[in-house]
Amino acid sequence: RKEVEQDPGPFNVPEGATVAFNCTYSNSASQSFFWYRQDCRKEPKLLMSVYSSGNEDGRFTAQLNRASQYISLLIRDSKLSDSATYLCVVNGGGGFKTIFGAGTRLFVKA
Amino acid sequence: DAGVIQSPRHEVTEMGQEVTLRCKPISGHDYLFWYRQTMMRGLELLIYFNNNVPIDDSGMPEDRFSAKMPNASFSTLKIQPSEPRDSAVYFCASSLYGGTQGQYFGPGTRLTVL
Repeated sequence: RKEVEQDPGPFNVPEGATVAFNCTYSNSASQSFFWYRQDCRKEPKLLMSVYSSGNEDGRFTAQLNRASQYISLLIRDSKLSDSATYLCVVNGGGGFKTIFGAGTRLFVKA
Repeated sequence: DAGVIQSPRHEVTEMGQEVTLRCKPISGHDYLFWYRQTMMRGLELLIYFNNNVPIDDSGMPEDRFSAKMPNASFSTLKIQPSEPRDSAVYFCASSLYGGTQGQYFGPGTRLTVL
């Protein structure tokens, strides 16, 4: 079993749609959680941190469920510019080792 | 402020040659991470440093790979000898607090070993 698992997609959605990505992790001692965005042939960029209380940044909402070891990302009112790969990231669980999920591809169509 | 700087951006070499990748982290960041990304294996952590000291190198694939951080503003990842299966994009990232508030990536070095 992979330490961080994501649905690879791709997700194909029209502009304005709401889309949700899920991620599970195996190490219950993990301490920090993030979503990153990676555009084609570019470096990953931090999108947002994820907390148990949930956090929102504009159209993006992230949620952590520690009991189920589950992380989610919700994108509302999708834009063409949201097309990218979204990476679920788990940090800690012994030192500061960082594990990236394989990523979920999102295509937003006009 | 300048972000993480990596050089070269592209490297093409022949099997058996030595390859050295370079990274300058964001000033003030005390953690530095080296990653490798391939289509087959995704993004893999190779090694990370804290205050210039290697903390975990369990991701380094084999003895052909070595990494150093002689000071707070410079790190190298060396492959000697290189093999075609080393072809990948190598990213360097830096952070504060061990990455508990996220890491910041450089643009990467695209390595091709012929």
